[in-house]
Amino acid sequence: AQTVTQSQPEMSVQEAETVTLSCTYDTSENNYYLFWYKQPPSRQMILVIRQEAYKQQNATENRFSVNFQKAAKSFSLKISDSQLGDTAMYFCAFTFRTGANNLFFGTGTRLTVIP
Amino acid sequence: GAVVSQHPSRVICKSGTSVKIECRSLDFQATTMFWYRQFPKKSLMLMATSNEGSKATYEQGVEKDKFLINHASLTLSTLTVTSAHPEDSSFYICSARRLAGGPGEQFFGPGTRLTVL
Repeated sequence: AQTVTQSQPEMSVQEAETVTLSCTYDTSENNYYLFWYKQPPSRQMILVIRQEAYKQQNATENRFSVNFQKAAKSFSLKISDSQLGDTAMYFCAFTFRTGANNLFFGTGTRLTVIP
Repeated sequence: GAVVSQHPSRVICKSGTSVKIECRSLDFQATTMFWYRQFPKKSLMLMATSNEGSKATYEQGVEKDKFLINHASLTLSTLTVTSAHPEDSSFYICSARRLAGGPGEQFFGPGTRLTVL
């Protein structure tokens, strides 16, 4: 079974600082995708960043970047220059490259950006 | 683009009644829609996967006779909670995959909060 683990239930960061959210996963598959989703207080799930497992280069989207360590099955999210609007729940998620493409979610990390 | 809507956003009903939640892809065709349930301060739990024109595939432990899913068109899926009870109170979220979408690419609706009295 695929599992996604987020070991930090809550984190906080000072505005403009950098924070890293951790995620580990377990799978026997070799071809898969990893995601970070953001769920702000509005509850709308928003895709933050996506990583394809067969790509060694870490994905980057503006202030968001990942550190993907395939051998260690680790997929952390770094948020640079944190903004108040980054306050949200962050979910790490996994899906197979083929098949139904169900998303397997971690338990989430609640991030609070402090002004 | 790739907007998904849900209706209603909130619903309060009496125990024993049935509630229908609609999920629509507004500007794209969705071959597959997913229904999730989210308890307070918890993660999303996949309930079922529905493909247009076919029966939904339910996850283990989800009662298919209680949570009826219909995906009658490429832009609409409905979840009906039949004979709702207080333990069905939760936040229900749908998501949709585009016809030519990439693996795992899902667009989420804003969710529906169901409260059963």
